[in-house]
Amino acid sequence: KNEVEQSPQNLTAQEGEFITINCSYSVGISALHWLQQHPGGGIVSLFMLSSGKKKHGRLIATINIQEKHSSLHITASHPRDSAVYICAPHNTDKLIFGTGTRLQVFP
Amino acid sequence: EPEVTQTPSHQVTQMGQEVILRCVPISNHLYFYWYRQILGQKVEFLVSFYNNEISEKSEIFDDQFSVERPDGSNFTLKIRSTKLEDSAMYFCASSDINQSGQYFGPGTRLTVT
Repeated sequence: KNEVEQSPQNLTAQEGEFITINCSYSVGISALHWLQQHPGGGIVSLFMLSSGKKKHGRLIATINIQEKHSSLHITASHPRDSAVYICAPHNTDKLIFGTGTRLQVFP
Repeated sequence: EPEVTQTPSHQVTQMGQEVILRCVPISNHLYFYWYRQILGQKVEFLVSFYNNEISEKSEIFDDQFSVERPDGSNFTLKIRSTKLEDSAMYFCASSDINQSGQYFGPGTRLTVT
C-alpha cells in the first residue's frame, strides 16, 4: 500500500471551476507540502502546513492531522493552473511524494 | 529571489561511467537533499545531508551513490558506475535551519545509454 494516496489522479476542469485535490497518508509527519510540477519538470513549493489551513491567492490548503488527510483547493481555476499537483508529507528528514494529480483547465 | 541551481541541465553518459551532478543550494540553507524522478513515475527521495554528513538515505542510495559538499557552496551527487535504470531527472533541494520549506532546483536529466 502506498504511504501517500492522492485523488483524483487526473482532473479536467473548465476555467472558473472550483477544484479540490485530496491527499491521504499513513506515515507520521511533522508537516505536509503541496507542490506544483509543470510539464518542463520544475517543482515549485506551494504550501507547507502542519495544522489548520493556509491561503495564498486562489489556492487554499487544509490539513487534518488526526484523520491524516489534506486537501488543496483552487478557486476560480485558470488554464495557467494546468500542472501536476503533488502532496508530500514530511517524514523524519525527507519528503514522501504522492503520485500527483494531473490538472488540465480549459478555457 | 534566491534559488537553487543545478548543472548540467542534461547529461548523457554511457553505462558504467561515473557522473557527478552539481547543485548550488540557497546560501544560508543548512539542509540539502537529492531526489530523483524516473520518467512517468513519482519523485523519490535519495538522501538528506546536514552538518556535513548524511542524515537519512533511501534503499535506492546504495554504494554506487555518494554525496559531498566540497566547499561552502556546492553539493554534489556522484554515481560511480551508472546503469541504464539510473536514467532519471535528479532534483536537488535545500532548506533553512527551521526546515520551513524545501526549495527545489530545476533538475538534471541524466540519460544512461
